[in-house]
Amino acid sequence: DIVMTQTPLSSPVALGQPASISCRSSQSLVHSDGNTYLSWLQQRPGQPPRLLIYKTSKRFSGVPDRFSGSGAGTDFTLKISRVEAEDVGVYYCMQATRRFTFGGGTKVEI
Amino acid sequence: QLQLQESGPGLVKPSETLSLTCTVSGGSISNSGHYWGWIRQPPGKGLEWIANIYYSGNTYYNPSLKSRVTISVDTSKNQFSLRLSSVTAADTAVYYCARSSADVGTMDVWGQGTTVTVSS
Repeated sequence: DIVMTQTPLSSPVALGQPASISCRSSQSLVHSDGNTYLSWLQQRPGQPPRLLIYKTSKRFSGVPDRFSGSGAGTDFTLKISRVEAEDVGVYYCMQATRRFTFGGGTKVEI
Repeated sequence: QLQLQESGPGLVKPSETLSLTCTVSGGSISNSGHYWGWIRQPPGKGLEWIANIYYSGNTYYNPSLKSRVTISVDTSKNQFSLRLSSVTAADTAVYYCARSSADVGTMDVWGQGTTVTVSS
């Protein structure tokens, strides 16, 4: 199975400041079809997960442009350019190249 | 707008079988390009994928749970279901159903989740 490792576990950040979360996979996430199926999910307190980024860097419908994803192969990053109060929650990376596995989560708090 | 709603018992006894159903509304479960699946989240912990199914019946399981899990689909009711046998306290979790779309290559629509507690 592909293991997903996220850092940091927790990210205190001031409102209006940037935040960055890293995700590393134990194997390359490049699929045989050429796509890299790495996505980022946001889970606000008491809510189900919500898709933010798919295929490494594509923003899902309705996601603010302050969220961006980057990376390739085994190393990926989610960046929030200016954190807002509604961004508080836990962020998960997830791979769908070979079945599905999730990172352990990163808690973003103000 | 597509919506998914989980339903089933909130309490299951150890060694028994957990059964959940996800009802899809606002769209057809038979649309090509979509898979339907289950994910769980133990209290205070992260997410674990359980299984996926295509409307045709093709199934995909997490190897760590495969021996205890059955996922099925009922296109006439626009529902899909999960059965997890021989449950223990370790199976206590919030269970989510979700749609996976081929165009985004991941889970893009989630249900609100249902809490299942395994206890005698």
